[in-house]
Amino acid sequence: DTAVSQTPKYLVTQMGNDKSIKCEQNLGHDTMYWYKQDSKKFLKIMFSYNNKELIINETVPNRFSPKSPDKAHLNLHINSLELGDSAVYFCASSGGRGGGEQFFGPGTRLTVL
Amino acid sequence: GENVEQHPSTLSVQEGDSAVIKCTYSDSASNYFPWYKQELGKRPQLIIDIRSNVGEKKDQRIAVTLNKTAKHFSLHITETQPEDSAVYFCAATGGGADGLTFGKGTHLIIQP
Repeated sequence: DTAVSQTPKYLVTQMGNDKSIKCEQNLGHDTMYWYKQDSKKFLKIMFSYNNKELIINETVPNRFSPKSPDKAHLNLHINSLELGDSAVYFCASSGGRGGGEQFFGPGTRLTVL
Repeated sequence: GENVEQHPSTLSVQEGDSAVIKCTYSDSASNYFPWYKQELGKRPQLIIDIRSNVGEKKDQRIAVTLNKTAKHFSLHITETQPEDSAVYFCAATGGGADGLTFGKGTHLIIQP
């Protein structure tokens, strides 16, 4: 069984569109995260979410918004997509309040044309 | 916030030799230091981690050392094999729900 899953795996869209990426974990973890990996392979934290507490990386544009319907899901909504949003987005989860192993999803490759 | 520097960006070693990747961090409050391996097109996967109350940890051919005073930690891979070829990332976090701050990655190439 997949521990952390994401859909879709690939997403190709036009500039200006709004899109969502879904993430689900079946590990019973309390904390979930979104990371962005750009074309140079740099991995950067975007958000973390724990018991309804959202921590936002200050460099993330407010066009990005995470939504958590329940503890097992953390979706990422992106409004008014820009060329620079093209990247691989990874969801992750961890059991404790940080400071423990993070399990990554398979990634979603977003291409904005 | 935390800043993690990683060196080298590319490392080429002969099969069977050892590889060492070094990282430094800036936030003395960081207390958890994982290393992730990422193969092309795949997700990052944890290979070893260390907490700030431990100076060294070993798992078969892989070891990590931590120097809290100097704020640096290193990954050591011995008897390298072709399947060790990948990008390796170090990371640091102070816990809470801050997420991991990653280094920029090291592309490890194992020459046959």
